[in-house]
Amino acid sequence: QLHLQESGPRLVKPSETLSLTCTVSGGSISRSSHFWGWIRQSPGKGLEWIGSISYSGNTNYNPSLKSRVTLSVDTSKNQFSLNLKSLTAADTAVYYCARRILYNTDSVHTNWFDPWGQGTLVTVSS
Amino acid sequence: DIQMTQSPSSLSASVGDRVTITCRASQTISNYLNWYQQKPGRAPKLLIYAASSLQSGVPSRFSGSGSGTDFILTISSLQPEDFATYYCQESFIMPFTFGGGTKVEIK
Repeated sequence: QLHLQESGPRLVKPSETLSLTCTVSGGSISRSSHFWGWIRQSPGKGLEWIGSISYSGNTNYNPSLKSRVTLSVDTSKNQFSLNLKSLTAADTAVYYCARRILYNTDSVHTNWFDPWGQGTLVTVSS
Repeated sequence: DIQMTQSPSSLSASVGDRVTITCRASQTISNYLNWYQQKPGRAPKLLIYAASSLQSGVPSRFSGSGSGTDFILTISSLQPEDFATYYCQESFIMPFTFGGGTKVEIK
């Protein structure tokens, strides 16, 4: 059974860069039908998709965060990572990593997030 | 961005009740709609994908329907473990957006 686990700092200062890593176990990150992504949840903005990356490094970003976000992948470690720069208090949230499954047939092209990591609360404060 | 609007934002129900939650998209999304359940302190869990397909391991009392802009999540007979918050999410176009959630509470 696939398991995802976030790791990284819980407290970051304003204007600094947040770096989180998601370690995937129970399966390989190198599947063409999967993307690997980040989603955050805050009381003010609810659930917000940040972006996704494939094992080959193809990325998709939320335009609202694109100027501050970089995703990367390390297939040798079965990990992918999030860097979010120029932090403000508005970036305080629970950050989840998740697999995005792509399902494509002749007539259907869809996707969904499953499973999710347990989440890590990141607080931006001096 | 596509706006996803859920209603109600919260509801109170009893064990055994039939519960329906509605999700409306700001533009047509075909059947590109997923439903998740989230319990306090836990990550969201996939229940339904592609509007009506039940994720493996999810009890059959959960069902989804709809297409276009209007979607429904139904719990046919509410169980104690179903008290949680439910979210819809469009997977039609990036950035993928979520509804604001519906909290199902015990009456």
